[in-house]
Amino acid sequence: DIVMTQSPDSLAVSLGERATINCKSSQSVLYSSNNKIYLAWFQQRPGQPPKLLIYWASTRESGVPERFSGSGSGTDFTLTISSLQAEDVAVYYCQQYYSTPWTFGQGTKVEIK
Amino acid sequence: EVQLVQSGAEVKKPGESLKISCKGSGYSFTSYWIGWVRQMPGKGLEWMGIIYPRDSDTRYSPSFQGQVTISVDKSISTAYLQWSNLKASDTAMYYCARHGEEPFDIWGQGTMVTVSS
Repeated sequence: DIVMTQSPDSLAVSLGERATINCKSSQSVLYSSNNKIYLAWFQQRPGQPPKLLIYWASTRESGVPERFSGSGSGTDFTLTISSLQAEDVAVYYCQQYYSTPWTFGQGTKVEIK
Repeated sequence: EVQLVQSGAEVKKPGESLKISCKGSGYSFTSYWIGWVRQMPGKGLEWMGIIYPRDSDTRYSPSFQGQVTISVDKSISTAYLQWSNLKASDTAMYYCARHGEEPFDIWGQGTMVTVSS
C-alpha cells in the first residue's frame, strides 16, 4: 500500500493569514503514460461528509474558492489556503488514487488562532 | 441534482448481519465507480473498496477484504456494503462516494453503524 503522511497534524492560523499543509507519499503517484498526478485533497467540516477540493494535485474542483490551491510533484505535495476564513475550520485530508487501496493521509486539523 | 443518498443509522448487536445502501440519482449510475469509506469515531478516513456498477468489478482494501462485501443493483442505481458478523470495532460512520474523472466528487451523507451488546 502507498502510505500518505501529512504534516502537521494540526495548525492554528489567524484569520486572513496563510495556512500550509504538507502531504508525502511513500512512492510516486505520477502516472507517466498520461503525466497526471493521482493526488486529491478533501475538506471535512465538523459533522459533514468530506468535500473534494483539489484533484490531479493542482486542479481546483468547480465551486471551490480560489484561496485554495494545490501543488507538488513526485512524492511531496502541498495544500495552501492563501487567506484563512472562518469557514475553513476543518480537517483536511490528502488521498492518492494512483493504486488501490486509495489511501488517505491521517488528516490535518486547521483552527483559528 | 447529482446526489448519493444513504440508508439510515443502524444499531446492531455483535454477530448480527447488516446491509447498508447508497442510492445514486441525477447522473448515469453505471458510468461512475462507487467507493466506501469508513470513519471511526474521532478518527480519519479509511478507504474500504470500490465497485463499478456497469460490470460489478470490485476492488477491496486488504484491510477490509473478507470482512465486508460490496455489491450493486444497477437496476435501482444502488450500491451496498454488508457485514455477515458484526463486531464492536465496526462501529463507525460509513460514507459512499462517486469516482469518475474526478475522485470522490460526490459523497453520501453517511450512515452511522453502532454495534453494541
